[in-house]
Amino acid sequence: DGGITQSPKYLFRKEGQNVTLSCEQNLNHDAMYWYRQDPGQGLRLIYYSQIVNDFQKGDIAEGYSVSREKKESFPLTVTSAQKNPTAFYLCASKRVAGSGNTIYFGEGSWLTVV
Amino acid sequence: KNQVEQSPQSLIILEGKNCTLQCNYTVSPFSNLRWYKQDTGRGPVSLTIMTFSENTKSNGRYTATLDADTKQSSLHITASQLSDSASYICVVSENNNDMRFGAGTRLTVKP
Repeated sequence: DGGITQSPKYLFRKEGQNVTLSCEQNLNHDAMYWYRQDPGQGLRLIYYSQIVNDFQKGDIAEGYSVSREKKESFPLTVTSAQKNPTAFYLCASKRVAGSGNTIYFGEGSWLTVV
Repeated sequence: KNQVEQSPQSLIILEGKNCTLQCNYTVSPFSNLRWYKQDTGRGPVSLTIMTFSENTKSNGRYTATLDADTKQSSLHITASQLSDSASYICVVSENNNDMRFGAGTRLTVKP
């Protein structure tokens, strides 16, 4: 099946720990994105990548890091510097980074700080 | 201030009834507007996409309208079903590829 796979679906983090959320796509899309979703708010862009080995900060990049070593993979690390990481995280991809193309989302990952 | 405002924030209707969700935006320059459906705890799924020149687009029981002059869009759901219960998100893209997301409308369809 073609699509975007995020893992894990649920993740618990202790204070001071770094955690990494996985995102893999087999759609051969060039652009990939990470969004954070909090209750009552729209999706906010954390990081995006338009091509392998290149990525750009979004609106709320502080406390997060990413890598794009392969076209199909765009992992997100939530570092201990992120003070309020509890949220629903969505990975997305698009064929090319043009405004006319539809963005496809993964099923999301829930991160909770305990 | 968010550049994409959706209303109402939440809505409860009975199964079989129609409803209309609103999206007002200030994003400029405008490229296109999409409506997404997001089930609880899942990723959003695209329903419709409209460009500047399109006024109406349908996808089954979903009909989206766009008035680019007033910068307003609506999503009309006909003959609602229990499976329509979800959040509906309006996404507006600028010419530079930036996407702006509304906070969504939470729709609950009751039997």
